[in-house]
Amino acid sequence: DTEVTQTPKHLVMGMTNKKSLKCEQHMGHRAMYWYKQKAKKPPELMFVYSYEKLSINESVPSRFSPECPNSSLLNLHLHALQPEDSALYLCASSPEGGNVGNQPQHFGDGTRLSIL
Amino acid sequence: QKEVEQNSGPLSVPEGAIASLNCTYSDRGSQSFFWYRQYSGKSPELIMSIYSNGDKEDGRFTAQLNKASQYVSLLIRDSQPSDSATYLCAVKGWSYDKVIFGPGTSLSVIP
Repeated sequence: DTEVTQTPKHLVMGMTNKKSLKCEQHMGHRAMYWYKQKAKKPPELMFVYSYEKLSINESVPSRFSPECPNSSLLNLHLHALQPEDSALYLCASSPEGGNVGNQPQHFGDGTRLSIL
Repeated sequence: QKEVEQNSGPLSVPEGAIASLNCTYSDRGSQSFFWYRQYSGKSPELIMSIYSNGDKEDGRFTAQLNKASQYVSLLIRDSQPSDSATYLCAVKGWSYDKVIFGPGTSLSVIP
């Protein structure tokens, strides 16, 4: 069992739909991350939140919109996605935020997203 | 460009043998090094962290770090079929708030 909880586990949506992915952790971690992972590739960083503020956006298209309502929650809002956006979306957290710290990230189980 | 490279796979070893996974990195400022295991269709699972030169052992796993050579490795002793997975090397430095992942090495342990 993972301490980072992601919902839903699977999501199928059309290109005109709006949906959201949710991530929750109760470990008191101050940094949270969204990754996208395609088959047989490593995780690809999308966004980093540090102390509830967006600290890194890896030039992600605006059809992906992150939100961090509080230190335990991270959302990823999806709108007008393309078929190539089909992937495993991973949330992770780590104890420290900012440009310091050496603790590893802990991943949730991911959301398998399919765009029709 | 900060890069992390791993030995190309797939790597096949017989059950009970030692599996050796290698990783090199380009940023000399890197401070933290992690090995993740990822089963097909699952999320990455942290198996080792190492921060200082030398060896770190945890059960059947040993991580080795050589910062002068910019090299980190993972040895799996007494390999089991359940060790069959993709192993991701990840590197983090003090100067940036993200982890750089290598491409991964697929390991297959043959019964």
